[in-house]
Amino acid sequence: QKEVEQNSGPLSVPEGAIASLNCTYSDRGSQSFFWYRQYSGKSPELIMFIYSNGDKEDGRFTAQLNKASQYVSLLIRDSQPSDSATYLCAALNRDDKIIFGKGTRLHILP
Amino acid sequence: GAGVSQSPRYKVTKRGQDVALRCDPISGHVSLYWYRQALGQGPEFLTYFNYEAQQDKSGLPNDRFSAERPEGSISTLTIQRTEQRDSAMYRCASSLASGANTGELFFGEGSRLTVL
Repeated sequence: QKEVEQNSGPLSVPEGAIASLNCTYSDRGSQSFFWYRQYSGKSPELIMFIYSNGDKEDGRFTAQLNKASQYVSLLIRDSQPSDSATYLCAALNRDDKIIFGKGTRLHILP
Repeated sequence: GAGVSQSPRYKVTKRGQDVALRCDPISGHVSLYWYRQALGQGPEFLTYFNYEAQQDKSGLPNDRFSAERPEGSISTLTIQRTEQRDSAMYRCASSLASGANTGELFFGEGSRLTVL
């Protein structure tokens, strides 16, 4: 079992709709969770981080964390073509290592 | 510098040669991580440092891989006797804080290694 798991996609969402990206993790000692966006041929860049149960909103992005279910999600409201990218979920585990999932490819349909 | 700098950006080498990949993190950043990323996959953890101390090297694939950060700043990832399966993008990232205070990882542009 991978420590951080994501569906690889591609996930296709019409422009203006809500994109929902999901991630599960296996290490219950994980402390913080991150969502990175990676455009093709580019380096990952941080979108959001979350460490408390519940929701955290930043503009069109909402991160959700449920530690009991070991589940993290990212919602993107009013999806734009520029949101088309690979979204990487990452966890800071009990060993202070930041472990990434394999990423979900998101495609926003104009 | 303003960001994380990696060199070389591209390296083509023959099987059996040694390669050294360099990472210059953002000034003052405590933590430095090395990842390997295959096409279509997420970054795979290799090793990380807090200051000059290597905290975890459990992700290094075998003993041909080593890393150092002697003065707590620049780091070098060395691959000895390269093999074709070592071909990948090698990414370095740094973070201002460590441990439970770890925040954003800032990634360099990566070093793409091709072993012929």
